[in-house]
Amino acid sequence: DQQVKQNSPSLSVQEGRISILNCDYTNSMFDYFLWYKKYPAEGPTFLISISSIKDKNEDGRFTVFLNKSAKHLSLHIVPSQPGDSAVYFCAASATGANSKLTFGKGITLSVRP
Amino acid sequence: KAGVTQTPRYLIKTRGQQVTLSCSPISGHRSVSWYQQTPGQGLQFLFEYFSETQRNKGNFPGRFSGRQFSNSRSEMNVSTLELGDSALYLCASSLEWGRGNTEAFFGQGTRLTVV
Repeated sequence: DQQVKQNSPSLSVQEGRISILNCDYTNSMFDYFLWYKKYPAEGPTFLISISSIKDKNEDGRFTVFLNKSAKHLSLHIVPSQPGDSAVYFCAASATGANSKLTFGKGITLSVRP
Repeated sequence: KAGVTQTPRYLIKTRGQQVTLSCSPISGHRSVSWYQQTPGQGLQFLFEYFSETQRNKGNFPGRFSGRQFSNSRSEMNVSTLELGDSALYLCASSLEWGRGNTEAFFGQGTRLTVV
């Protein structure tokens, strides 16, 4: 039973355009959401996070939107750069005893020059 | 400040052997989690330690075990290795446990190949 789903395995965008990466979750106890970026043979790098009390968080070119009613979040990258090409993981956690991070399977983003 | 350090980076073992992987968290971080990454499966949670106690455990067989020391360093052990255990094993550290709203920072991982 996958509680965090990234249904699109890959995304290709032109350099300078917007990249939109989507993520859905099923566990209503999740109250904190994170995005990680991963290059091959490296560990994931934390990108941006959002608490369930917010619906938007912005950090430079990266913005995360949260729609709690739809149990959906998205990561927007504007403008996209070739260096953004990587695998992006969506993750979620819940406050309390079961606070472990639950990850989606990842989306491979390719930014074409 | 130094990041999460995992050793060794690469390991080749034979079926039936056992292996121990090590993780040193970021200084001051007291929670350590372990994940297994295989192609197409994302990051699968193994277990989480805080204050030398296992706080959470994923759905892995008992061959997978871990521990945490008083200095927050952690080790994970896999006994009776199987071919399917070949994966990238990632360790993540975070400041606290149970709060939920805490970022986890990952090491570079240990690439285990079982032949």
